[in-house]
Amino acid sequence: EVQLVESGGGLVQPGGSLRLSCAASGFTFSSYDMHWVRRATGKGLEWVSGIGSVGDTYYPGSVKGRFTISRENARNSLYLQMNSLRAGDTAVYYCARGLAAADTLYFDYWGQGTLVTVSS
Amino acid sequence: SYELTQPPSVSVSLGQMARITCSGEGLAKKYAYWYQQKPGQFPVLVIYKDSERPSGIPERFYGSSAGTIVTLTISGVQAEDEADYYCSSTDSSGTLVVFGGGTKLTVL
Repeated sequence: EVQLVESGGGLVQPGGSLRLSCAASGFTFSSYDMHWVRRATGKGLEWVSGIGSVGDTYYPGSVKGRFTISRENARNSLYLQMNSLRAGDTAVYYCARGLAAADTLYFDYWGQGTLVTVSS
Repeated sequence: SYELTQPPSVSVSLGQMARITCSGEGLAKKYAYWYQQKPGQFPVLVIYKDSERPSGIPERFYGSSAGTIVTLTISGVQAEDEADYYCSSTDSSGTLVVFGGGTKLTVL
């Protein structure tokens, strides 16, 4: 059974940093792209970052230069280092397993999410 | 930038048919995907590659595509289908994922 379990969320002040982790099990982690997606209260889903099975990384403009996605295949773990956090980064952050089809990306398994609150 | 547009809300009576649309220029060339998210839960993939249904998703969920518009149709809507629905696709580079703004489905 595929399982994704996020951790590391919490309260952080504006300008601060936080590192999220996602522990994966039930599949060959090293063979899959992995992603982070967030949802702020009252808003919709927003893709935050993705990392390929060989370590290539992708970010939308809203987080590029502030967030860094990484993976440790030996530990079946995915990470998101978040720096220079802003109030607008407050959201539940989900770890998701990625698949690809004809140059499009999608997510077939999701974790339960971890809440990040940026506030003074 | 690449955008996907959905109606903010759709209401349907129990047992009737619900249609949720998603429009975007890139959809004419890229697959679309649909996710269901209920309050307090993680998103669930309900349609992939425009019209394919993952295992475990009821047959009443149906996806279709026509040019720059994709549609999620739920026939015989059940109370448990009340949720937020998001369409998604990928930009022309094939590396950046985009979500629509989401549609809140209310079952009357």
